[in-house]
Amino acid sequence: EAGVTQFPSHSVIEKGQTVTLRCDPISGHDNLYWYRRVMGKEIKFLLHFVKESKQDESGMPNNRFLAERTGGTYSTLKVQPAELEDSGVYFCASSQAGYNNEKLFFGSGTQLSVL
Amino acid sequence: GQQVMQIPQYQHVQEGEDFTTYCNSSTTLSNIQWYKQRPGGHPVFLIQLVKSGEVKKQKRLTFQFGEAKKNSSLHITATQTTDVGTYFCAGRKTSYDKVIFGPGTSLSVIP
Repeated sequence: EAGVTQFPSHSVIEKGQTVTLRCDPISGHDNLYWYRRVMGKEIKFLLHFVKESKQDESGMPNNRFLAERTGGTYSTLKVQPAELEDSGVYFCASSQAGYNNEKLFFGSGTQLSVL
Repeated sequence: GQQVMQIPQYQHVQEGEDFTTYCNSSTTLSNIQWYKQRPGGHPVFLIQLVKSGEVKKQKRLTFQFGEAKKNSSLHITATQTTDVGTYFCAGRKTSYDKVIFGPGTSLSVIP
């Protein structure tokens, strides 16, 4: 069974440019999360999809970040325009639906560097 | 908002020594999970604790969930170099809430 896939694995862009990250969750997983880890700090929650609906987007930093999950399958996270503080590792995680039983499966992450 | 804290931030141990990381939440948790991230890798699920006072063991790892369901600990007996990595606790307030991660404890094992 394929795991959670993210690409690109690395992205280096200049301040002001646009970057789109993609996440393909494990097939059949309704829950999809985006997290960000900056400079070895905590894994910070960004948002949570249940199928195609945004369940919780309270962690999104500002309106420069836009996440979509069309059709409830893969998800994209667009940063436009990128700022220096957006640098970090963006992780996607997915899990099966289930009461109190959500084991998160993480992708390998996208290392974003904004110069 | 909900906060999850961990101590210590870093721990260096000699191979064979024991290691413990502590996790504390500002709110009562529905459950707590532990993840391990190897250097250059991604977080990998280790275990989930649900019941108050629950203790679970995985070989040399012992996980505990506090009676008040606000704190947890991970203890590794006789560390090995394969234990190197960052250990994160993660919790949620309700069963359907988002999973909030602590800052992690980075473990280094000196051979």
